[in-house]
Amino acid sequence: EPEVTQTPSHQVTQMGQEVILRCVPISNHLYFYWYRQILGQKVEFLVSFYNNEISEKSEIFDDQFSVERPDGSNFTLKIRSTKLEDSAMYFCARAITSGTQYFGPGTRLTVL
Amino acid sequence: DAKTTQPPSMDCAEGRAANLPCNHSTISGNEYVYWYRQIHSQGPQYIIHGLKNNETNEMASLIITEDRKSSTLILPHATLRDTAVYYCIVAGNTPLVFGKGTRLSVIA
Repeated sequence: EPEVTQTPSHQVTQMGQEVILRCVPISNHLYFYWYRQILGQKVEFLVSFYNNEISEKSEIFDDQFSVERPDGSNFTLKIRSTKLEDSAMYFCARAITSGTQYFGPGTRLTVL
Repeated sequence: DAKTTQPPSMDCAEGRAANLPCNHSTISGNEYVYWYRQIHSQGPQYIIHGLKNNETNEMASLIITEDRKSSTLILPHATLRDTAVYYCIVAGNTPLVFGKGTRLSVIA
């Protein structure tokens, strides 16, 4: 199965601080996604990225979030000013076609 | 909201077939049926997908009814490692919308 690496595996931050979560897809796929899962809740779509542009975003993905692929390889999710409710698992996924997505192991974000 | 309905939980004896049902009565003509699973807190894992024909791969089989309003995921010989939450998702060229899924417990 194609692999996706995410770093860090666990990030602890203070409320109001900026965090950057990274995703490194191993092979060349065009579609990238970020999802999050608050403990005990459903997996929620945040944003999709295709051809170096945001193709779709959810209501959750507000102005405090941004995504980019700065070096053509890493795919990052930035949260500008973290809130307590941002504590969750964040999953990156990639795909050749939009439905068959391969997920990374996730980054556990803890906001104190 | 998810367009699918799944039972919240199921048990299966190790070595037996696990049959996980899913209702998707509002599926559109261009939407596929996808199955993913999530083991503990790991990232969701793609299992299989189909449009209208039955599909089989090394992990599972997918049976889609002729009217496409429901489907069944079959794990032919369940093992303890198949214990997970299984998600049935209907999607076209859109992001995946996860529901609560079915928690499958494989029992020794």
